[in-house]
Amino acid sequence: QITLKESGPTLVKPTQTLTLTCTFSGFSLSTSGVGVGWIRQPPGKALEWLALIYWNDDKRYSPSLKSRLTITKDTSKNQVVLTMTNMDPVDTATYYCAHSDSGWAYFDYWGQGTLVTVSS
Amino acid sequence: EIVLTQSPGTLSLSPGERATLSCRASQSVSSSYLAWYQQKPGQAPRLLIYGASSRATGIPDRFSGSGSGTDFTLTISRLEPEDFAVYYCQQYGSSLLFGGGTKVEIK
Repeated sequence: QITLKESGPTLVKPTQTLTLTCTFSGFSLSTSGVGVGWIRQPPGKALEWLALIYWNDDKRYSPSLKSRLTITKDTSKNQVVLTMTNMDPVDTATYYCAHSDSGWAYFDYWGQGTLVTVSS
Repeated sequence: EIVLTQSPGTLSLSPGERATLSCRASQSVSSSYLAWYQQKPGQAPRLLIYGASSRATGIPDRFSGSGSGTDFTLTISRLEPEDFAVYYCQQYGSSLLFGGGTKVEIK
């Protein structure tokens, strides 16, 4: 059974760096074809893809946010970490991590999401 | 950069009716790398369709996807009460992108 869970601060101040951790079970990020991505959703708005890391450490970033994002993995801990610098109130959103397989980049299992509010 | 436009923004239908949702890309989507998700309030999205027309595991056959190139469609043949939700398309070829969503609401 595949599960993912996001963790991190619920409140960050403008200009701070956000660090979110996705802890997963039921699969290994060392298995060929597997990936974990981050997607966010501002309140009442649409989904926005942020970043994706594959089993072979290949990484993809949203072009519009690439300069602010870093995604890493710790295979031994079954974790993926996303950092986003220079947070702004417009970054207030629910942040999801999700699993992808077979080298593709659609997401078949999702975490419950974590709401991050950016406010002074 | 590819832009995905979903229409209509809101679809008002009754249970038992057929729902047809559109996702249009500004450029051709390579090899039909197009997925559809369902999202209910307070929940994470659920994968319905990948590869434009392949149903994900456990998805009822009343959900079907079609299309290629720049025009894709999600069809729900007969709406069940649990199908009223927001639906998103996602392109996952050369770029990764979600559409703006279509809300299917009870008429």
